[in-house]
Amino acid sequence: KQEVTQIPAALSVPEGENLVLNCSFTDSAIYNLQWFRQDPGKGLTSLLLIQSSQREQTSGRLNASLDKSSGRSTLYIAASQPGDSATYLCAAVKTGANNLFFGTGTRLTVIP
Amino acid sequence: NAGVTQTPKFQVLKTGQSMTLQCAQDMNHEYMSWYRQDPGMGLRLIHYSVGAGITDQGEVPNGYNVSRSTTEDFPLRLLSAAPSQTSVYFCASRQNYGYTFGSGTRLTVV
Repeated sequence: KQEVTQIPAALSVPEGENLVLNCSFTDSAIYNLQWFRQDPGKGLTSLLLIQSSQREQTSGRLNASLDKSSGRSTLYIAASQPGDSATYLCAAVKTGANNLFFGTGTRLTVIP
Repeated sequence: NAGVTQTPKFQVLKTGQSMTLQCAQDMNHEYMSWYRQDPGMGLRLIHYSVGAGITDQGEVPNGYNVSRSTTEDFPLRLLSAAPSQTSVYFCASRQNYGYTFGSGTRLTVV
């Protein structure tokens, strides 16, 4: 079974700081890895998707990288803003499987 | 707005009651799925469907039934609710690789 871990569980930073969220997975046979954002009481919003053949994806101030050999992905957020405060989830799709394996998330608070 | 719609948003059930959580999408996605989210455990797959008439079990299917009679709808049925089914339930659809999630149903079983 694919195990996905996210560290830290919570992170608090001042506005404007650059930050990195970490995600590790146990099975390197992944099809793709996705990062989601979840606001309190809301559903999940897809942020970035990295195919297994890719090393990174970028969208605005967000950059996600994937290193299958080490079983790690990182989400880099540049120039953080209070509106970035949310829980960030990573999820891996294993090759040949149909489901997302989720980490438990990192709760980010950006302090004005 | 196009997307995944879940109803109800909140529900309280008594142990042993049955109910159906509704999920509808208007994006013509073939793949739909149900997840539950519990504190400290992340989201876990309950059931999924790759098209009308085709369903399969996920990681935690016990106590839940699904059917897929149309592309748009994928209801989740709790046959006899138990306190262990207290959770937040999310429906999601998928096109190619990208997932779209509904806003969730918060279910409490007392």
